This record gives sequence, C-alpha cells and structure tokens, in this order.
Amino acid sequence: QKEVEQDPGPLSVPEGAIVSLNCTYSNSAFQYFMWYRQYSRKGPELLMYTYSSGNKEDGRFTAQVDKSSKYISLFIRDSQPSDSATYLCAMSKTQGGSEKLVFGKGTKLTVNP
Amino acid sequence: EAQVTQNPRYLITVTGKKLTVTCSQNMNHEYMSWYRQDPGLGLRQIYYSMNVEVTDKGDVPEGYKVSRKEKRNFPLILESPSPNQTSLYFCASSSHGVNEKLFFGSGTQLSVL
Repeated sequence: QKEVEQDPGPLSVPEGAIVSLNCTYSNSAFQYFMWYRQYSRKGPELLMYTYSSGNKEDGRFTAQVDKSSKYISLFIRDSQPSDSATYLCAMSKTQGGSEKLVFGKGTKLTVNP
Repeated sequence: EAQVTQNPRYLITVTGKKLTVTCSQNMNHEYMSWYRQDPGLGLRQIYYSMNVEVTDKGDVPEGYKVSRKEKRNFPLILESPSPNQTSLYFCASSSHGVNEKLFFGSGTQLSVL
C-alpha cells in the first residue's frame, strides 16, 4: 500500500459545480497536510495548509482533514474554468530526524464553461 | 518579485554528456530542493539542502549531484545522463523546510536521447 493515494482522475465538471478532491494515507506519522495546485507547464503552488483535524476555509476553497480515518479532502465551491489544473495533495512527517514531504500523484480537474 | 528561477526551460541532450540545470531564489530561503515529476509517479524528491554546504539525498538521488555553495543557488548536475533521466524537473525553496510554503520554479523539461 502506498503511503499517499490520490485518484488521478481526470475529473470534468461544469462551471459552478462543487468539486471534491481526496487523498488517503496509511502512515499516522503525517502531521502537516497541504494542497498544491499545478497549472499546465508550471510549477506547483501552495493552495491550502492545515495541521489539525477539521476544516479550514479560504474563499471558495475548504480543506478538510480527518486524522482518525487518514483522509483529507479539498472542496471547491462555485468552480470556475480558471480552477482547471492538477491538484496535488502533500503531507509531511518527521523521518530520521528530518522532515519528509510526500506528494500524491495529483488529480487533473477540468471545469467546463 | 519573489521567485525561483530555473534554467534552461527545455533541454535535449545525448546519453553521457554532462549537464547542469541551474536554480536560483531571491527570497533568502535556507531550504532548497530538487524534484522530478513523471507521469504515473508524481513528484519525487532528488536532493535537498537545509542550508549552505548542507545537502542530503531524497528518494531518487542516483545519477544526480548537487552543491550549495551560496544560499541563493542550488544547481542540479547530471554527470552522465541516461534516457531514464528524461523527466520534468522542479527546483523549490522555502524559509526553513517542507512544513512551510514551498515556492517552485517553472520547471525544466529534460530529454536524454
């Protein structure tokens, strides 16, 4: 079982839809949870960052962490064509005295006008 | 403008011909890292550096070298490139480590023939 699992999609939704992106993980040592967004031919950029279980909201984006189920989600409300990108979950843990960041493989999202 | 600059954006080379991909950041970040991104495999860390003269292996260091002689620069060196190193490479930096916002460069698409 991989440490971090993310459905690669692709996911195609109409403009205005609510989008749910998810990752599961197997190692309870992960403590910090992030979502990065990557546009085509660009580097990833940090979208959301959470530490504890629960929800964190930023505009149309909500990040949810459920440590008991080892499950994280990113919700996008009122999705826009400009949200079309690949979304990468990432989570970090302490390993061998240093911090290690593990990325999911990414979910490609297309929002159709 | 705060940024991570990689050069070149595209590179085609032949097996065995040494090459260097440069990376520079203007944010006075202590932490820098190299990743490669491959379809179906996601982002994998090659090497990272916590500070000047301090470097360490990531998950896939074989065939790569790095150096950190100055805080702002973190070049990636392929002494004898092979076709399995054909990939999209990203340099990233942050203030102190992976638990902080990572700033990514725009990527270098490398093809080794």
